[in-house]
Amino acid sequence: GQQVMQIPQYQHVQEGEDFTTYCNSSTTLSNIQWYKQRPGGHPVFLIQLVKSGEVKKQKRLTFQFGEAKKNSSLHITATQTTDVGTYFCAGPTRTDNAGNMLTFGGGTRLMVKP
Amino acid sequence: GAVVSQHPSRVICKSGTSVKIECRSLDFQATTMFWYRQFPKQSLMLMATSNEGSKATYEQGVEKDKFLINHASLTLSTLTVTSAHPEDSSFYICSAPAGGEGTDTQYFGPGTRLTVL
Repeated sequence: GQQVMQIPQYQHVQEGEDFTTYCNSSTTLSNIQWYKQRPGGHPVFLIQLVKSGEVKKQKRLTFQFGEAKKNSSLHITATQTTDVGTYFCAGPTRTDNAGNMLTFGGGTRLMVKP
Repeated sequence: GAVVSQHPSRVICKSGTSVKIECRSLDFQATTMFWYRQFPKQSLMLMATSNEGSKATYEQGVEKDKFLINHASLTLSTLTVTSAHPEDSSFYICSAPAGGEGTDTQYFGPGTRLTVL
């Protein structure tokens, strides 16, 4: 079945340093979504990328969808303590997106030292 | 964005008892809801898809007789953990697709932390 892998699993950074998490799918995706889960909280939708090679920005966060639509990345510039949490990528489980099911990556847990 | 609520947020029960968790879409209708289980520091594991007016679809390895799902209305799905045991202790989260560009993104409830003694 479809697999979505994320690296790294964990990342410790000093506040102000940049951070990147990478997401790779075993299959071509019609879209990719990113979610953030704060410690003790629930996943919150961040963004969805649909087009090949698409790049979207949200303040210090830059999201990219690969040309082959099988990989994606999330880059945070100048991390802050508020960025702490686990970042998950997710793609439709079925190629026709029937049922709206998502397959989640394992997540990257970001820890920021003040 | 769309709001999904879950109740209770935290429950502690004795082994052998049943626990019901409610998931509600507050400002939209959801013909489909998803139930996930999350162990500490791990990813979300899809347990089942709850379908309004029909039977739930369970993922491989999930016991349908143990995790009873009922989707009685367009805004409410319930998950009942029957005869709970300590190994059922986990964080249970529901979600509902609520529309988006090209495909439905998912909005998650706040989760229910179940501890079985």
